[in-house]
Amino acid sequence: NAGVTQTPKFQVLKTGQSMTLQCAQDMNHEYMSWYRQDPGMGLRLIHYSVGAGITDQGEVPNGYNVSRSTTEDFPLRLLLAAPSQTSVYFCASRHPGTGELFFGEGSRLTVL
Amino acid sequence: GNSVTQMEGPVTLSEEAFLTINCTYTATGYPSLFWYVQYPGEGLQLLLKATKADDKGSNKGFEATYRKETTSFHLEKGSVQVSDSAVYFCALDSSYKLIFGSGTRLLVRP
Repeated sequence: NAGVTQTPKFQVLKTGQSMTLQCAQDMNHEYMSWYRQDPGMGLRLIHYSVGAGITDQGEVPNGYNVSRSTTEDFPLRLLLAAPSQTSVYFCASRHPGTGELFFGEGSRLTVL
Repeated sequence: GNSVTQMEGPVTLSEEAFLTINCTYTATGYPSLFWYVQYPGEGLQLLLKATKADDKGSNKGFEATYRKETTSFHLEKGSVQVSDSAVYFCALDSSYKLIFGSGTRLLVRP
């Protein structure tokens, strides 16, 4: 019972590098989202998707791109990494009936 | 806009003590309210929820009541255990977006 799977769990980047955080879910949920977690600030929504081919911005979208070509996958791309993007990133999918979010285990990103 | 405010932590309690973590919200209408818990090194998981005013959500000995008069959703537990040590997040549902509070760290000492 995999649920939501995120990779990688840890990543160190240099300023200006790019990378993609992968997220996959096996629950056939239409809604998926990316959050970042910073000390004292809780979780802030970066981008979300209500289904394949549909994405929208959350509270803090700048510096991040997303796409949703399949129901299962929702990758998050950092095109030009900056130290301000050092954070823990969580992917989540949402049960359509209960509204419950199911979270991955998180990806800790450090930008030097 | 919609927002959630939680009491700052950390909250440090002895085992079997009574727990209250305060949560208040600002929202239009009557959104669903949630408490999520994050254990060390893990993602968040749903602890309990309430979907309308005066609803009480409960799970694992934790309870929270949706109070529209005071716009609050305080988390309570009568007797905490060491295993309850975690970070607790209050959240509200805002049109496909879950808005989280800043989290409250709970540390329970034996």
